[in-house]
Amino acid sequence: SAVISQKPSRDICQRGTSLTIQCQVDSQVTMMFWYRQQPGQSLTLIATANQGSEATYESGFVIDKFPISRPNLTFSTLTVSNMSPEDSSIYLCSVERALGDTQYFGPGTRLTVL
Amino acid sequence: SQKIEQNSEALNIQEGKTATLTCNYTNYSPAYLQWYRQDPGRGPVFLLLIRENEKEKRKERLKVTFDTTLKQSLFHITASQPADSATYLCALDGGDDKIIFGKGTRLHILP
Repeated sequence: SAVISQKPSRDICQRGTSLTIQCQVDSQVTMMFWYRQQPGQSLTLIATANQGSEATYESGFVIDKFPISRPNLTFSTLTVSNMSPEDSSIYLCSVERALGDTQYFGPGTRLTVL
Repeated sequence: SQKIEQNSEALNIQEGKTATLTCNYTNYSPAYLQWYRQDPGRGPVFLLLIRENEKEKRKERLKVTFDTTLKQSLFHITASQPADSATYLCALDGGDDKIIFGKGTRLHILP
């Protein structure tokens, strides 16, 4: 298994500002992902955080809105930029040790945008 | 289009009975399927993975079946307990190294 921590656990932000969410894993992992889970909805993959290169974004998500960093194999950040109330959601980091393996999730960051 | 369907209505089961949750999918040919548990305010926790060449997998009180002909997985909790109350998510191999999640089914075990 993997132990994953996220900071902050929750935040309330004003429209137009940006928030950076941190994800720390207790061991080196190959794959790291960022998901969004809106109320009553399934987890939606935002992007795959690639170590040493640009993140791979899913359809509907762009780097300017959700810049991602992954400086090493145990850490990643997701920034939600120029926030609007529609960005209110839970943001989750997950890791996968190998292709086709299980995913381990962080506790999530609950974001409310006023 | 590709779709994963889980019962959107909450499932109420009497303590001690077997709870059965359903996951149906269309337009996928997943190599594996997973089940996760999610409690309020927490991230999903992995429970079981079943591969396309496996019909059934068990772990303690949990049992998962995978029918690639019906495009369906069933998730069973036997001798259910109030502590089993949670939302259960089905997830499958969506190709391109991605996992696609269903919306989940809320399960309430009634004491």
